[in-house]
Amino acid sequence: DTEVTQTPKHLVMGMTNKKSLKCEQHMGHRAMYWYKQKAKKPPELMFVYSYEKLSINESVPSRFSPECPNSSLLNLHLHALQPEDSALYLCASSRWEMTSGDNEQFFGPGTRLTVL
Amino acid sequence: GNSVTQMEGPVTLSEEAFLTINCTYTATGYPSLFWYVQYPGEGLQLLLKATKADDKGSNKGFEATYRKETTSFHLEKGSVQVSDSAVYFCALRPPGYSSASKIIFGSGTRLSIRP
Repeated sequence: DTEVTQTPKHLVMGMTNKKSLKCEQHMGHRAMYWYKQKAKKPPELMFVYSYEKLSINESVPSRFSPECPNSSLLNLHLHALQPEDSALYLCASSRWEMTSGDNEQFFGPGTRLTVL
Repeated sequence: GNSVTQMEGPVTLSEEAFLTINCTYTATGYPSLFWYVQYPGEGLQLLLKATKADDKGSNKGFEATYRKETTSFHLEKGSVQVSDSAVYFCALRPPGYSSASKIIFGSGTRLSIRP
């Protein structure tokens, strides 16, 4: 299984709502990532988890709250978002090793989020 | 610092034409280099990769060679198909970090193939 799955595929929410995005992989990868992608732009890294611990937070506003409950799952909790947060949210996973090597990131299909 | 520069799009070609999408990079040492493809409405898929100088990555008829002397990783395909229409991202992973280090993406090149 070389797939990263994400749910939901589409999400529309108001600025006062609380919602969560979910990501799952069964490749045994111990690094998982959240990216945000605006239209016609490359993905921007938001968070990195390694061995279920947050290792990188790219100065993301606190209205985005990541969670890694186990080695296969990654969540992104959303609260009090702004319309400018509307984007495609991509999850990815990779092996985690202390030497650089042949460890590409596998991406999910994304959740297209619209904040009204 | 580390950066990736790829040719501006959109690129429009006729079916069976030869494709080149230029990509150059700036990095210290020997980064790993990647091409990712994003089809409309989908996430990113790894198209090919190269991890050391003179390596050639290839997949689905696409090729790219890691050129240290010109710091380039140009994407080529001999005969494109309509199904190749997508956005292509050149990317690098810096050396000297753990494998979960940041990937640096280029700005993306949109490719449209006319039947």
